[in-house]
Amino acid sequence: GDSVTQMEGPVTLSEEAFLTINCTYTATGYPSLFWYVQYPGEGLQLLLKATKADDKGSNKGFEATYRKETTSFHLEKGSVQVSDSAVYFCALRDEGGGADGLTFGKGTHLIIQP
Amino acid sequence: KAGVTQTPRYLIKTRGQQVTLSCSPISGHRSVSWYQQTPGQGLQFLFEYFSETQRNKGNFPGRFSGRQFSNSRSEMNVSTLELGDSALYLCASSLRPGTGPWGYTFGSGTRLTVV
Repeated sequence: GDSVTQMEGPVTLSEEAFLTINCTYTATGYPSLFWYVQYPGEGLQLLLKATKADDKGSNKGFEATYRKETTSFHLEKGSVQVSDSAVYFCALRDEGGGADGLTFGKGTHLIIQP
Repeated sequence: KAGVTQTPRYLIKTRGQQVTLSCSPISGHRSVSWYQQTPGQGLQFLFEYFSETQRNKGNFPGRFSGRQFSNSRSEMNVSTLELGDSALYLCASSLRPGTGPWGYTFGSGTRLTVV
């Protein structure tokens, strides 16, 4: 079946540091890929997405590129802020595999220190 | 524009009882899907409804069920509650199933505690 693997953390960085959160996936069909963010006590917010190979999703300074050859969708940000502290989830939806739901990774807890 | 509304926000139930959770999607959205979030298993897909029909269901026992009304509001029901059902239940709405430019919008969830 489909699966998503990401580092669980916590990942602790200083403000203005460079961020990378790795995400790799396995899928039987043709997945669309997503990053969601969850702040304490809240639901999930879509951060960015990519629907085909080599697409780059970007939002609020975050970027991720759909790499089919390495089955990866790593999240990056050049300079993190304290307000970026949250849990980040990588997810896929397998367009050709017949499943309607999103498959999520376990989530990466990011802590940014001032 | 109102977001996805889930009620109640918090719920405490006793083992063996049943519970019903509600989700009102964004106006105009006709697809509603449900997810269970636990520390151990993470986020898992429960089911998705579109036009009052269940399209697909995740790997959960028959104690978990749902329905969707003509106004697109959805309810999920868990019968004979077990301690392991304690979780955050998230609802997501979209214009229709699948991942197009519309995407999925999540609610804040219902925190269910089974004692």
